[in-house]
Amino acid sequence: QSALTQPASVSGSPGQSITMSCTGTSSDVGAYNYVSWYQQHPGKAPKLMLYDVSNRPSGVSNRFSGSKSGNTASLTISGLQAEDEADYYCSSYTSNNTPVLFGGGTKLTVL
Amino acid sequence: EVQLLESGGGLVQPGGSLRLSCTASGFTFSSYAMSWVRQAPGKGLEWVSGISGSGGDIYYADSVKGRFTISRDSPKNTLYLQMNSLRAEDTAVYYCAKDRWGTITTCDYWGQGTLVTVSS
Repeated sequence: QSALTQPASVSGSPGQSITMSCTGTSSDVGAYNYVSWYQQHPGKAPKLMLYDVSNRPSGVSNRFSGSKSGNTASLTISGLQAEDEADYYCSSYTSNNTPVLFGGGTKLTVL
Repeated sequence: EVQLLESGGGLVQPGGSLRLSCTASGFTFSSYAMSWVRQAPGKGLEWVSGISGSGGDIYYADSVKGRFTISRDSPKNTLYLQMNSLRAEDTAVYYCAKDRWGTITTCDYWGQGTLVTVSS
């Protein structure tokens, strides 16, 4: 089964807002609200930033927000900070035989 | 505090076997589904296998089906991944991840990973 589709890279300046997308199908992103986003810094384990499309775990900054429309989910980071520079992965539950799909990842560069 | 500690990685020849372990603490292990997720060098995340909290539901990615076996020992708070017939393309950091629920939906906590290198 194909991975979810994410742009390879996005960039923004400190203080700006950026949005990155995650496109799936009607069998995953479009069908369920089990869409999550992970942040991964080099050499580190992924960290859950959003779950169930738009919910933030305790301790995650409210600068991170999520939404979904049809088969596409989006992650928005407002007030960009240097520490936000990382790889971001989306994930979705799927009704296919493998219950979890990841996106290919988006590299966020803070200029 | 949730903690997940993977072990068992290392260098293995193609066709060989390896068993990964993940020791969990800080939560009621038997109540939550668990997954293995891998990341090849310089690549993205790939979900490999998952098991429900009860152990009754088990899933595999097509890329490992028939070669890898996931299991859990609740009294020992430990998750396993038995990897057989290893290939070069299985080379990756393998992460153990806890799910938010008893069934597989969302990985919320991750271990630091263990590196598996398949090479002659």
